[in-house]
Amino acid sequence: DGGITQSPKYLFRKEGQNVTLSCEQNLNHDAMYWYRQDPGQGLRLIYYSQIVNDFQKGDIAEGYSVSREKKESFPLTVTSAQKNPTAFYLCASSTSGHPYNEQFFGPGTRLTVL
Amino acid sequence: AQTVTQSQPEMSVQEAETVTLSCTYDTSESDYYLFWYKQPPSRQMILVIRQEAYKQQNATENRFSVNFQKAAKSFSLKISDSQLGDAAMYFCAYRSADGSSNTGKLIFGQGTTLQVKP
Repeated sequence: DGGITQSPKYLFRKEGQNVTLSCEQNLNHDAMYWYRQDPGQGLRLIYYSQIVNDFQKGDIAEGYSVSREKKESFPLTVTSAQKNPTAFYLCASSTSGHPYNEQFFGPGTRLTVL
Repeated sequence: AQTVTQSQPEMSVQEAETVTLSCTYDTSESDYYLFWYKQPPSRQMILVIRQEAYKQQNATENRFSVNFQKAAKSFSLKISDSQLGDAAMYFCAYRSADGSSNTGKLIFGQGTTLQVKP
């Protein structure tokens, strides 16, 4: 079955540590996105990539980094510079080329800073 | 910058009845796309319905329909014959159609939690 997988489902981090969230898709989508979800704030865009080896900052990129070395994979690193990283992180993908195209979402990763 | 506002943090509906969730947005663009996503307790986001701004006809998908008022910048979701499985958080989202600035990103509202009572 085609879809998006995110791992781990739950992640705990000590302050000062970097952690990497995995996102893999087998939908053959060119575009991939990372969103952060906080209670009462909806989803906000962290980074996006419309093609392999290229990515751009979203609205809240500070303290995060990404890579896009393969079409299928778009890992997100939460660095120690991120002041308040505890949140739910969602990865999404879509075919590029038309804004009407549906974005498909993964099941998410819940990150908690201890 | 575009913004999306959902002014109802929580709503409830009796099973088999109809409920309408509100969404307003602010944009200076004339061409754009609007979406409603559902996030059930599993937290998996699912597309419910979408609307193209240049189409006056309201979109419908089975029991789900929208009331799109472009001049008022309003995009409400109507759920008919509500079912227990409709209980979820619903997000309204905006996406620009401007090719030069089209990152494909979705701009989300704050969400509305819908409770369905048996």
